[in-house]
Amino acid sequence: DAGITQSPRHKVTETGTPVTLRCHQTENHRYMYWYRQDPGHGLRLIHYSYGVKDTDKGEVSDGYSVSRSKTEDFLLTLESATSSQTSVYFCAISEGSSGGGTQYFGPGTRLTVL
Amino acid sequence: GDSVTQMEGPVTLSEEAFLTINCTYTATGYPSLFWYVQYPGEGLQLLLKATKADDKGSNKGFEATYRKETTSFHLEKGSVQVSDSAVYFCALSEGQTGFQKLVFGTGTRLLVSP
Repeated sequence: DAGITQSPRHKVTETGTPVTLRCHQTENHRYMYWYRQDPGHGLRLIHYSYGVKDTDKGEVSDGYSVSRSKTEDFLLTLESATSSQTSVYFCAISEGSSGGGTQYFGPGTRLTVL
Repeated sequence: GDSVTQMEGPVTLSEEAFLTINCTYTATGYPSLFWYVQYPGEGLQLLLKATKADDKGSNKGFEATYRKETTSFHLEKGSVQVSDSAVYFCALSEGQTGFQKLVFGTGTRLLVSP
């Protein structure tokens, strides 16, 4: 257990509303990641963080922003949700300060945008 | 870019049957290879991994061998159980230090009947 929690676990929202998902870790890992999971695509990286206030884009970052003001929290924000952002969102961490090694995943957040 | 290809599912087996899920990859360097498992309604769990050619990863009766010559990492289990029903993801990552990008296959659903 890598001590990762995500909140909320389920959310239904309407198109055009802002949404923030939270990832919380308890083990002081430097690297954190946000993925989305969609049928036929596996998991795709949205954004990642390599330290407090240090973030970068992944392969599907359009429409998403992130923030990391504390080591333990990594927030994913949809500024104006669209139906194409209906998905399951997973947070992950890497062991070790270098970021190398295995990634461990949180339980996921199921987001539905109507 | 790097990519992972998995066999299409679902794979349907009877209990105690032999399992093979094929995974091949394309990478420019020497990636680490992973199998993750996702049970219904849950996040991804690391099943096994291998970090260099000819390494064999194993866990819970599952095995996979890193074959550089065939760029493959096929998952096998000698006798599946109903509790093995899940979605299995093959993934690769480049680099052992710094930012680690995981590239996932699309997943293979396994259904095991009594």
